[in-house]
This record gives sequence, C-alpha cells and structure tokens, in this order.
Amino acid sequence: DGGITQSPKYLFRKEGQNVTLSCEQNLNHDAMYWYRQDPGQGLRLIYYSQIVNDFQKGDIAEGYSVSREKKESFPLTVTSAQKNPTAFYLCASSGTRGPNSYNEQFFGPGTRLTVL
Amino acid sequence: AQRVTQPEKLLSVFKGAPVELKCNYSYSGSPELFWYVQYSRQRLQLLLRHISRESIKGFTADLNKGETSFHLKKPFAQEEDSAMYYCALISGGYNKLIFGAGTRLAVHP
Repeated sequence: DGGITQSPKYLFRKEGQNVTLSCEQNLNHDAMYWYRQDPGQGLRLIYYSQIVNDFQKGDIAEGYSVSREKKESFPLTVTSAQKNPTAFYLCASSGTRGPNSYNEQFFGPGTRLTVL
Repeated sequence: AQRVTQPEKLLSVFKGAPVELKCNYSYSGSPELFWYVQYSRQRLQLLLRHISRESIKGFTADLNKGETSFHLKKPFAQEEDSAMYYCALISGGYNKLIFGAGTRLAVHP
C-alpha cells in the first residue's frame, strides 16, 4: 500500500522539544498538504505546498514549520511553540488543480503525536 | 466565512434502514463539495463529489444550493458502511479543502 507514506506511526515527545513528521509520496504529485485531526473538529489545514520550494500557511500554521526541497517529500516540524500538539496528523498529496478541475487528494496513514 | 457543518457526531442505524448524513455549507460563489470516508484502520479516501453526480457503494448526494446542503444518502444501510464520514468543500483556487467535523455512522446487525 504505497503511494503516500508517513512515519512514524506513533510518536512521543517531551514538552519543549521539536519533532519532525515525515511524509513521502511516489505519485509524482505537485501538491502536498498537512492536516491536523482532532476529535469533534474534523481535519484542519496546517500547511500546503503547490510546488517544490514553495509553501503557504493553512488555517492553523502557528507552532508548525515545513519545507519542500524535493517533490516527493514534505516534512512537518512541530515546534515547542505549538501549545497543544497532541493530535493525529495527516499528510495528503494531489495533482495541481487546473482552472476547472479538482484533483483528488490522497491521504497517508497518519502519525499520532503524543506530548508527555 | 467558508464553513462546513455536520450537525451529527454519531448516527446509529440498523442494517437495511435508510441513512442520511447531513452536511450544510456556507460559501460565497459556486461550491464544489465532496464526501470523504474513513473506514476502521484505513486511510481517509474520497467517496464521491457532487460534480460527478455518481452513486458510489449505493450512496448519493445532491447539492441543494437553496438550502446550502449536500446530504449523503443511502436507501439501505449495510454493516460495512460503518465508518467516519466527512463532508468537505474546496476553498479558493489551490485545491484547499475545508472539512466538516465528521459524522460517525454505526450500522448494527
């Protein structure tokens, strides 16, 4: 079940530490996304990237950072500035949307981060 | 503000009963709406999109612009339909999705 992978599946971190979540895709997709999933709140967009070396903040970017140095990879760093980092994190990728089309987003299996 | 509302956190039905998962949206302009589904231990995946007007696994959803709704319906629920369902709409020109809070559908034998 390849396509888009996330690692690790479970991650534990002490308060005050930064941690990086991995997201890799072999679908040749230009666009990649990071979402946070909390019970009762659905998915909220953290960051997205339409193309290599470019990314934009989503709705809840504070306390997070990303990079997009390679098309296949879009790692997310949860910094110590993120006040409530314990959550389930989902990565997704899609082709670049044309003016009159929607490109389906394909999701990874997720990483569950717990701050101790 | 662009928003998707799913008023029910949990919908519990018996096998063979009709199902309707509610979704309301607020969006200025012509919305593109979707239903995503997450089965137990599986990835979130696209179920259907309004623009395709298709039926997937017996589910249909009609966009009602007057009521700003996009409810998901199935006439006869099956146990394998038990999952988390998310309604979503596209925001802006960059394939950004805005998700509702989700509804858990539980189909009992």
